[in-house]
Amino acid sequence: AQKVTQAQTEISVVEKEDVTLDCVYETRDTTYYLFWYKQPPSGELVFLIRRNSFDEQNEISGRYSWNFQKSTSSFNFTITASQVVDSAVYFCALSLNTGGFKTIFGAGTRLFVKA
Amino acid sequence: SQTIHQWPATLVQPVGSPLSLECTVEGTSNPNLYWYRQAAGRGLQLLFYSVGIGQISSEVPQNLSASRPQDRQFILSSKKLLLSDSGFYLCAWDPGQGNQPQHFGDGTRLSIL
Repeated sequence: AQKVTQAQTEISVVEKEDVTLDCVYETRDTTYYLFWYKQPPSGELVFLIRRNSFDEQNEISGRYSWNFQKSTSSFNFTITASQVVDSAVYFCALSLNTGGFKTIFGAGTRLFVKA
Repeated sequence: SQTIHQWPATLVQPVGSPLSLECTVEGTSNPNLYWYRQAAGRGLQLLFYSVGIGQISSEVPQNLSASRPQDRQFILSSKKLLLSDSGFYLCAWDPGQGNQPQHFGDGTRLSIL
């Protein structure tokens, strides 16, 4: 069965702190894709990053970085020097390389960044 | 470029009334289309997805239904709304290749009174 677990329901940090959002996935497929989305208070979901199962290179984009480890089936997301604008719900998602297959979302982690 | 339109943005309906939420996508053809519901403070629950005209897969038993009368149109309906149908409804699309992110509409906040 395929599953995405985001064990952290809510995280609260003070501005400028670093914070890591955890994501653990389950699948028996060897080809799959992982995503992170951000949902700010306005409600729309915004795509942040995609990773395929054959690319374990970590990625950094500004203050955002992602750590993909197949050995632990994890795809964690770190925000460095957090800002109030980072406050949002963050979703991790899994998609399989099967035509028309739906994406499976984790339950989301709500991040509060206090000034 | 591709865009997704979802309406209305907010809706207040009495229990037992019908529902119709519409979603259209522009700038692409044969997309996968999705309807999600998000209860307050909760994650995304996939309700329906469609890989083509007239092809609808239902993920959870409920009193909602979905239809895809045209390639880029996806409609969420109910004949009689329940209080438990309240929530934030999101429509999304992707190219149907599994390796591309989904793109979401702005959502509809549905309140049932």
